[in-house]
Amino acid sequence: KAGVTQTPRYLIKTRGQQVTLSCSPISGHRSVSWYQQTPGQGLQFLFEYFSETQRNKGNFPGRFSGRQFSNSRSEMNVSTLELGDSALYLCASSSPRQGIHEQYFGPGTRLTVT
Amino acid sequence: AQKITQTQPGMFVQEKEAVTLDCTYDTSDPSYGLFWYKQPSSGEMIFLIYQGSYDQQNATEGRYSLNFQKARKSANLVISASQLGDSAMYFCAMRDDPQHDKVIFGPGTSLSVIP
Repeated sequence: KAGVTQTPRYLIKTRGQQVTLSCSPISGHRSVSWYQQTPGQGLQFLFEYFSETQRNKGNFPGRFSGRQFSNSRSEMNVSTLELGDSALYLCASSSPRQGIHEQYFGPGTRLTVT
Repeated sequence: AQKITQTQPGMFVQEKEAVTLDCTYDTSDPSYGLFWYKQPSSGEMIFLIYQGSYDQQNATEGRYSLNFQKARKSANLVISASQLGDSAMYFCAMRDDPQHDKVIFGPGTSLSVIP
């Protein structure tokens, strides 16, 4: 069974640009969550999607948005990039089945804003 | 507010020895789940072990066990027989709504295994 995949793995953008990151969950998983990891702030929850609906959102500005498609693939978008958006963006998927607790993480997308 | 505290920024352990990584948490919700994840230098988060707040027994997964002390709001990870491949960042995390996947992570502990 294929794991969570994220594309691209590395990205360099300029301040003010926008970026779209993609996440493909494990087959059969309908929940996708996004996290931002920085040395200063650690791992912070961005948002969670389930069946194409956002059902939880972290404390991030509106420049951060996301969506989920009918095949459970998810994208997150960051508009008007700032230097502080440089981070490792991790996507995780999980199954809503009883007894399945853990989230499975992808390898992440490392975004550098210059 | 939910919070995870890991007071050990860095730890060293001799190969084949056991090591305990500390984690305390704060939540007002009676139903919650606690997780430990490992993050090697490659960046990928690897699930290690899970403990539910109503679980009567401490969770174990191979060389990993969770020392759960509910009254103290403590969920320490014990790694037995450390291996060189255990060198990584270790994160304690909590989800206090079983219907959602919002997980709060602690700051992490960097573990180095010495040959």
